[in-house]
Amino acid sequence: EAGVVQSPRYKIIEKKQPVAFWCNPISGHNTLYWYRQNLGQGPELLIRYENEEAVDDSQLPKDRFSAERLKGVDSTLKIQPAELGDSAVYLCASSLGQAGGNIQYFGAGTRLSVL
Amino acid sequence: SQQGEEDPQALSIQEGENATMNCSYKTSINNLQWYRQNSGRGLVHLILIRSNEREKHSGRLRVTLDTSKKSSSLLITASRAADTASYFCATVDNYGQNFVFGPGTRLSVLP
Repeated sequence: EAGVVQSPRYKIIEKKQPVAFWCNPISGHNTLYWYRQNLGQGPELLIRYENEEAVDDSQLPKDRFSAERLKGVDSTLKIQPAELGDSAVYLCASSLGQAGGNIQYFGAGTRLSVL
Repeated sequence: SQQGEEDPQALSIQEGENATMNCSYKTSINNLQWYRQNSGRGLVHLILIRSNEREKHSGRLRVTLDTSKKSSSLLITASRAADTASYFCATVDNYGQNFVFGPGTRLSVLP
């Protein structure tokens, strides 16, 4: 069974440029999460989807961040424009939700460097 | 805000020794989970303990949960160099909605 796939693995951009991250969750997982992880810290939730509905986006900086999960499968996370403080690892995870005890399966992440 | 707080922040031990990490949290939970993250990789689920359980084992891992103290511990016995990683606890609230990670414990196992 394929795991959670994220791309790209690394991205280097200049500030004020746009950037997008892509995530393909495990087949059948209805819940999808995007996290941001700063160096030496735990992941912080940005947005959680149940199928195609964003059910928790309270921590998503909506002035510059957007996300979508079309057809309830793949998801993209976009930053426009990027700021220096956005440098971090962006992790995607999926789960079966409460039915699976909320156990999450993570992708390898996208490491973003904003110069 | 992060609910789970692990301590110590960093731990360095010799191969073969046991490693103990602790996690404290603030609000009522449905379950608590421990994850491992190797450098440059995503997190991997290790073990889940429900609020009505006090102890669980999985291989060399032993997790305890004390809901009265709002704390959990992860014990890795007979550690190996391959156990070198960051370990995070994560709590799930009673509605199964909020999933909050702590800042992690960075474990170094020296050969």
